[in-house]
Amino acid sequence: EDKVVQSPLSLVVHEGDTVTLNCSYEVTNFRSLLWYKQEKKAPTFLFMLTSSGIEKKSGRLSSILDKKELFSILNITATQTGDSAVYLCAVNTGNQFYFGTGTSLTVIP
Amino acid sequence: DSGVTQTPKHLITATGQRVTLRCSPRSGDLSVYWYQQSLDQGLQFLIHYYNGEERAKGNILERFSAQQFPDLHSELNLSSLELGDSALYFCASSGQVNTGELFFGEGSRLTVL
Repeated sequence: EDKVVQSPLSLVVHEGDTVTLNCSYEVTNFRSLLWYKQEKKAPTFLFMLTSSGIEKKSGRLSSILDKKELFSILNITATQTGDSAVYLCAVNTGNQFYFGTGTSLTVIP
Repeated sequence: DSGVTQTPKHLITATGQRVTLRCSPRSGDLSVYWYQQSLDQGLQFLIHYYNGEERAKGNILERFSAQQFPDLHSELNLSSLELGDSALYFCASSGQVNTGELFFGEGSRLTVL
């Protein structure tokens, strides 16, 4: 059975801290891995990764994929209160996107 | 604004009733996906349509059905509603099946009383 597992389930940090969110997957037909941010509404797209070892960056956020070990990490440096959200990882298998249950990040001022 | 439109935004109904949720994908996107998100659960995949044809089915109940019309909008029909069907229902669209990203609508929040 295809599955996506995220860890930790929740995280509480102070502003300025750096956090690493993990996503591991077991799917039969990998196409791409995506990260989303969800804040009380629709998930918004952050990154899409298809190749191992190539880091994607957007400001303080970065992500990398390891297709051999079947995982991805999302790093957030110098966290801000606005980073508080649920971060979702999804794997595209061609006909559907499997989502993990998410990591809930709370950033305390 | 993702370009995906869902209606209604909120819906309150009683057990046993039937409702229809509507989704208009982003202009040009042929794929539409439906997801259910309950309080304690993540995004549960329901069904995927591509250019009018069903492509994949997730854990969609038999009381639920969906279709995608020639103009590419999609409807999710939920019947014989139960309290446990209360959830946020998301529609998402994608332009490319294999390497595209999903763009989500704002969701339809269904409350069954």
